[in-house]
Amino acid sequence: NAGVTQTPKFRILKIGQSMTLQCTQDMNHNYMYWYRQDPGMGLKLIYYSVGAGITDKGEVPNGYNVSRSTTEDFPLRLELAAPSQTSVYFCASSPQGRRGGSKLFFGSGTQLSVL
Amino acid sequence: GQNIDQPTEMTATEGAIVQINCTYQTSGFNGLFWYQQHAGEAPTFLSYNVLDGLEEKGRFSSFLSRSKGYSYLLLKELQMKDSASYLCAIGFTGGGNKLTFGTGTQLKVEL
Repeated sequence: NAGVTQTPKFRILKIGQSMTLQCTQDMNHNYMYWYRQDPGMGLKLIYYSVGAGITDKGEVPNGYNVSRSTTEDFPLRLELAAPSQTSVYFCASSPQGRRGGSKLFFGSGTQLSVL
Repeated sequence: GQNIDQPTEMTATEGAIVQINCTYQTSGFNGLFWYQQHAGEAPTFLSYNVLDGLEEKGRFSSFLSRSKGYSYLLLKELQMKDSASYLCAIGFTGGGNKLTFGTGTQLKVEL
């Protein structure tokens, strides 16, 4: 199993450009997440999904959009890139939780710079 | 909401024992997780506590006291490869297995 795969690994955008960060998992997990991590800060939840066709906002959703058309894929869309979106983005997945929740499996991350 | 506090940095000696503390405030507690993150890499799961007490896994142990909103991660027989950031994260109820992460404790292991 490949686990959680993110592409691209690095990207530089100009202000106002748009792009999609791709995320796919092959573990048949229902739950998927997008986090961003700024230097010296913890991971902040952007959006999450509990299954195909169902998405919801996390702590910092402004400037982003997501979709979940299949169990495997959970792309993150930046429509009008801004310097404040310079960050490392992590996609993660989790099996549907038992009592007490389940651990997250992370992709390798995408380092995005907006200049 | 959720609030998590952990020290920013710690330094320890190879072969020693180090304890990384985490205090939290949350509504709807649904478990506490510890993750390890090496520079430039993704977080990897270390441990999970949902009930009070100590969970031991090799050189790593994690403790939870729900009444005190307190957890610690204990690393024994430190190795140079243990130099990393250690993230405390809280699961909270409301669906989706969502986690809130602390800012992480950067551990440096020295000779």
